[in-house]
Amino acid sequence: DIVMTQSPLSLPVSPGEPASISCRASESLLDTDDTTSYLDWYVQKPGQPPQLLMYTVSNRASGVPDRFSGSGSGTDFTLKISRVEAEDVGVYYCMQRVELPCTFGQGTRLEIK
Amino acid sequence: QVQVVQSGAEVRKPGSSVNVSCKASGDTFSRHYFNWVRQAPGQGLEWMGVITPMVGTTNYARKFQDTVTFIADGSTSTVHMELSSVRSEDTAVYYCATGLLGGPLDSWGLGTLVTVSS
Repeated sequence: DIVMTQSPLSLPVSPGEPASISCRASESLLDTDDTTSYLDWYVQKPGQPPQLLMYTVSNRASGVPDRFSGSGSGTDFTLKISRVEAEDVGVYYCMQRVELPCTFGQGTRLEIK
Repeated sequence: QVQVVQSGAEVRKPGSSVNVSCKASGDTFSRHYFNWVRQAPGQGLEWMGVITPMVGTTNYARKFQDTVTFIADGSTSTVHMELSSVRSEDTAVYYCATGLLGGPLDSWGLGTLVTVSS
């Protein structure tokens, strides 16, 4: 199984400051058939189910503000928030779906300082 | 985008079975695949498996291969998850998450809390 490792696990950020979360895969997430890396990001806000944030590395889901961006390829990926807002509090998970079983990272808890 | 509604909370004794349903609406059932993800109390997300109604296939994470079964009912646009021989460690919120075939999981149910207790 592909192991997904996130860092940091806890991320205290002041409002208006940037934030960055790293996600590393134990194997390449690149599908050689279509040259796409199948890495998605989900956020679970307090008391809610997870929701899709970014898909295939850098595509924002519907309604996601452009403060969020995703980058990376192969085994190393990053989620960035250019200016953190209070509503961004939650746990962020990366997930690979290039091969089954899909696997999630441990989650990164973002909190406001 | 499809919306999914899950069945309500369940309490089971160890060794018994539990069935959680996930009803889809808003888009063609067969265009989607349905993943099950669970979250134990205070823990992260754990992928359990996926069912693809259009081709009638299931794939289970190795950990769940002997205890979980997914069934799709196209007539009611509902997917069922049955977990057998439950143990206290199976106490968790179970999520149904769906997306277009091969796509990201862009629609999640609210989750179903399953509590296993004697």
